[in-house]
Amino acid sequence: AQKITQTQPGMFVQEKEAVTLDCTYDTSDPSYGLFWYKQPSSGEMIFLIYQGSYDQQNATEGRYSLNFQKARKSANLVISASQLGDSAMYFCAMREGGTDKLIFGTGTRLQVFP
Amino acid sequence: EPEVTQTPSHQVTQMGQEVILRCVPISNHLYFYWYRQILGQKVEFLVSFYNNEISEKSEIFDDQFSVERPDGSNFTLKIRSTKLEDSAMYFCASSENRGSNQPQHFGDGTRLSIL
Repeated sequence: AQKITQTQPGMFVQEKEAVTLDCTYDTSDPSYGLFWYKQPSSGEMIFLIYQGSYDQQNATEGRYSLNFQKARKSANLVISASQLGDSAMYFCAMREGGTDKLIFGTGTRLQVFP
Repeated sequence: EPEVTQTPSHQVTQMGQEVILRCVPISNHLYFYWYRQILGQKVEFLVSFYNNEISEKSEIFDDQFSVERPDGSNFTLKIRSTKLEDSAMYFCASSENRGSNQPQHFGDGTRLSIL
């Protein structure tokens, strides 16, 4: 079974609108972290936001927020007030307690249009 | 803002040759990682490194691969006898500590092309 599932291969959003990128995960470990990374066309991986499994509140970081629904095992990324520079691939990743590795999803390509 | 730096940005190598990819992690970070991303595919974990030892590795990280911290700043990935399927983007990452709450900060990657 996939540990991280991103069901949207591509998304379009108009500039200044909000967009939600979906991510579901599968783990039996009670301690885990969820991360979102942005990969522009130039290729680098940029850390955006983190949510811990024990966190009571949804994480926020500027225009990024994470809609964490633990019972549904989902950790959707919400980007508010989209900008043209937000066009990129977005990867959801999970790190389980006791392991070093990040497990990545297949990514969602977001395109922001004027 | 401190960042992970990787060199070279692009490496072209003949099949069968050895290649060394270099990384300078963020200076106060203690944990180092290599990942790879084959074109159009997921990012895959290769290895983690702490205190001059491999702490975890994936099944991809076989005897063809090795990692080293030759001095206080560099962290290298060596691929011996490269194969066509080693063509990928290789990312170095570092984190301040271990733990599921620690973000790993990635470098810009080295694109490795095997001919």
